[in-house]
Amino acid sequence: GNSVTQMEGPVTLSEEAFLTINCTYTATGYPSLFWYVQYPGEGLQLLLKATKADDKGSNKGFEATYRKETTSFHLEKGSVQVSDSAVYFCALILNQAGTALIFGKGTTLSVSS
Amino acid sequence: DAGITQSPRYKITETGRQVTLMCHQTWSHSYMFWYRQDLGHGLRLIYYSAAADITDKGEVPDGYVVSRSKTENFPLTLESATRSQTSVYFCASSEEGYGYTFGSGTRLTVV
Repeated sequence: GNSVTQMEGPVTLSEEAFLTINCTYTATGYPSLFWYVQYPGEGLQLLLKATKADDKGSNKGFEATYRKETTSFHLEKGSVQVSDSAVYFCALILNQAGTALIFGKGTTLSVSS
Repeated sequence: DAGITQSPRYKITETGRQVTLMCHQTWSHSYMFWYRQDLGHGLRLIYYSAAADITDKGEVPDGYVVSRSKTENFPLTLESATRSQTSVYFCASSEEGYGYTFGSGTRLTVV
């Protein structure tokens, strides 16, 4: 079946540290890939996306590259801030009508000053 | 206000009661979704709808009922609430080929 696996948290970093959150997927066909972020007490917001192999999504200093050969979409940021503390979800959607986003379990990031 | 609105924001109900969570969107997006968020499970799809009067089951539909008589509304009903349905519920909408927009969530506690 179709699924997303992301690294378990929590991830605890100091401000300005480098961040990597691993995400791998299993899909029938060629999905689009997403990272969503959820700040405390809020809904999910789209952080970045990539729709085909080798695409790089980027936003707010975060980046992720769609790697078909390793079925991965790892999230990276060179220098995290306290305001980046949130839960991050990797997700996929199959590129066919009538399908819905499939999420990983989420990774909690905590950044301290 | 434009956007996607969920109500109520918080709800406490008793086991066995019927409860309805509301979701309203202002964009006329075709697709609407209900997810539940639980620790250790991430977000799991309950039901979704591709258009008015078209709904389909997701991963965890048991104990839930949905309807979509109007494009902008997609209520979720728990027919007889159980403690296992204590969760945070998120509604989302999208148009084909575009990303999802999520509501702020409803935190439901069944006692």
